[in-house]
Amino acid sequence: KAGVTQTPRYLIKTRGQQVTLSCSPISGHRSVSWYQQTPGQGLQFLFEYFSETQRNKGNFPGRFSGRQFSNSRSEMNVSTLELGDSALYLCASSSLAGGGANVLTFGAGSRLTVL
Amino acid sequence: KQEVTQIPAALSVPEGENLVLNCSFTDSAIYNLQWFRQDPGKGLTSLLLIQSSQREQTSGRLNASLDKSSGRSTLYIAASQPGDSATYLCAVYGGATNKLIFGTGTLLAVQP
Repeated sequence: KAGVTQTPRYLIKTRGQQVTLSCSPISGHRSVSWYQQTPGQGLQFLFEYFSETQRNKGNFPGRFSGRQFSNSRSEMNVSTLELGDSALYLCASSSLAGGGANVLTFGAGSRLTVL
Repeated sequence: KQEVTQIPAALSVPEGENLVLNCSFTDSAIYNLQWFRQDPGKGLTSLLLIQSSQREQTSGRLNASLDKSSGRSTLYIAASQPGDSATYLCAVYGGATNKLIFGTGTLLAVQP
């Protein structure tokens, strides 16, 4: 079966712009969680969605937001981009709520570069 | 606040050697601990998940142990191969935040 699909894989933006990243989970999975990976901070949890509801949120500013659609696909948005937002953004899906409570399947990530 | 540390940060071994990667965490009130591998420029692949009530899990040449009381886990890789070269990450879930908290990672290079 198809894995977790993230689009776009690479993108370059300039400071002040906004960006939207997309994640399509494995068919049948209703939980999608998002992570930011940077060389300095490592992997950090952004948020988790289950059945279109945000269940948990990490310690990120309000510029970071997300949503989940009825087909379980999820998007995350970062507004007013800063240089420090340059990172690999990973999403993961699982069949049950509580993303970390179960085996997660990760996508290949979206690499964002902010100039 | 949960903190997860992995030692060593990098490791280089010759092919065929058995090796141990270490993971320590500060809050023992976890629900589970997971080990992942990440290949350069790619996402994470789940290797093993150990529930808090378990002591170890095995998958092929991999064995992970968990000692909740001391806040430690080890990942044992038997008969290492060049294809095992990757970054290995541990992550704990549960405690006060119910978030998956990742360790700092160990970059493993297996030399042919």
